[in-house]
Amino acid sequence: GAVVSQHPSWVICKSGTSVKIECRSLDFQATTMFWYRQFPKQSLMLMATSNEGSKATYEQGVEKDKFLINHASLTLSTLTVTSVHPEDSSFYICSATRQGRVNSPLHFGNGTRLTVT
Amino acid sequence: KQEVTQIPAALSVPEGENLVLNCSFTDSAIYNLQWFRQDPGKGLTSLLLIQSSQREQTSGRLNASLDKSSGRSTLYIAASQPGDSATYLCAGGSEKLVFGKGTKLTVNP
Repeated sequence: GAVVSQHPSWVICKSGTSVKIECRSLDFQATTMFWYRQFPKQSLMLMATSNEGSKATYEQGVEKDKFLINHASLTLSTLTVTSVHPEDSSFYICSATRQGRVNSPLHFGNGTRLTVT
Repeated sequence: KQEVTQIPAALSVPEGENLVLNCSFTDSAIYNLQWFRQDPGKGLTSLLLIQSSQREQTSGRLNASLDKSSGRSTLYIAASQPGDSATYLCAGGSEKLVFGKGTKLTVNP
C-alpha cells in the first residue's frame, strides 16, 4: 500500500529557531501534498497545499513567510517553521495523494510533534 | 463553507458490541467522504473512502455509508475489539478535505 514518511516524528526546540519537517511519498508520485496542523482535541486544520514545481497555496490566516513550503520533487515536500514560538507547538501532519488519480484517498504521514520551549 | 461534525465525541463500549459512528456535513457538494483512524500521537490511517456517486463501502468489519442528500455518513463497526480503540475521523470536501473533530472510541475487554 501507499506509504507516506514524515520526519522527524518529534522535535523540541527553543523559541526563535527554525524547524524543518520532511514529507516523502515512498512508493508513488505525488504532485500535491497537504500540510495540516492539529491542536489537542481538535480536528486537523489544513494549513497549505503544496504543489510540485510551483508555489504553495496557503489557507486563510496561515502566514506564508512563517511556514515555508518547498515541493521540489514528486516525492518530497518540506515545511519549515521559522522563528518558532511556544504557540507554534502542535502536531503537524502531511498527506499526499497519488498523481493522476481522481478521488484517490489521502495517505498520511505519522506526524511531527513540535514542542517549542 | 464546509463544516463537518462528528457525534458522539467519545464512546466506550464492551468488546463484541456493534457500534455506529456518525458524521454530518453541511455542503453536499463533496467529491468523496473518507473515514480515518488515528491512534494517540500518530498520523492518520485511511479506512474507507466513499465516492460521491456511491452509497457505501465495506472493508472487513467496517461499513461506511454516505447520504449526500441528508449530509450524513455513518461508520459501522461490527463485533468491536479492544484493538479498535482509537479516534475515528471523517473528512469530506470538494477541492479540500474538511475534518471533523473525531470520535474517541474505547473498546473494553
